[in-house]
Amino acid sequence: EAAVTQSPRNKVAVTGGKVTLSCNQTNNHNNMYWYRQDTGHGLRLIHYSYGAGSTEKGDIPDGYKASRPSQENFSLILELATPSQTSVYFCASGGLGGRGEQYFGPGTRLTVL
Amino acid sequence: GDKVKQSPSALSLQEGTNSALRCNFSIAATTVQWFLQNPRGSLMNLFYLVPGTKENGRLKSAFDSKESYSTLHIRDAQLEDSGTYFCAAGTGGYKVVFGSGTRLLVSP
Repeated sequence: EAAVTQSPRNKVAVTGGKVTLSCNQTNNHNNMYWYRQDTGHGLRLIHYSYGAGSTEKGDIPDGYKASRPSQENFSLILELATPSQTSVYFCASGGLGGRGEQYFGPGTRLTVL
Repeated sequence: GDKVKQSPSALSLQEGTNSALRCNFSIAATTVQWFLQNPRGSLMNLFYLVPGTKENGRLKSAFDSKESYSTLHIRDAQLEDSGTYFCAAGTGGYKVVFGSGTRLLVSP
């Protein structure tokens, strides 16, 4: 079955440290997305990609970078982590250009101390 | 204001009863997805809709793009239906916009 996986599932980081969250999909989808979810909010889009080598800013990109080295992999990078980036991060993949259904990974819980 | 507004924000049901959740859009939505986030945090796909209706077991969803809303009907609610329901609107680009969710608790 096609799937989206994320690693690590839980991460504790220190303020100012570098954090990399990884996502892998076997859906063969062109599009991949990184969201964060905070209490009281739905999911908010950080970065997305429409193919290997591309990254685009979402609605809340400040403090985050993204990397899409291949069709299957999409990483979210926090160069200088801050406590405000404590959240649950979800990766998703989707196909069919902009009209495709999105499928989500299990999430990564990040705590920045 | 909210581009995707979900109502109600929270709901309690007894097992075996029916209910409806709603999303209103202030953006030109062309597609809608409904998800259930279970108590463990996983997001499960329920429906992906272009304008029209779909049904799956005890769940039925409708999307009216002209009137800018979507509904999710739950029939004969079960304990395992508990969780947070999200709708997400697509506008033809790569991004979708999520609502803030409806928290549903089904009790015996």
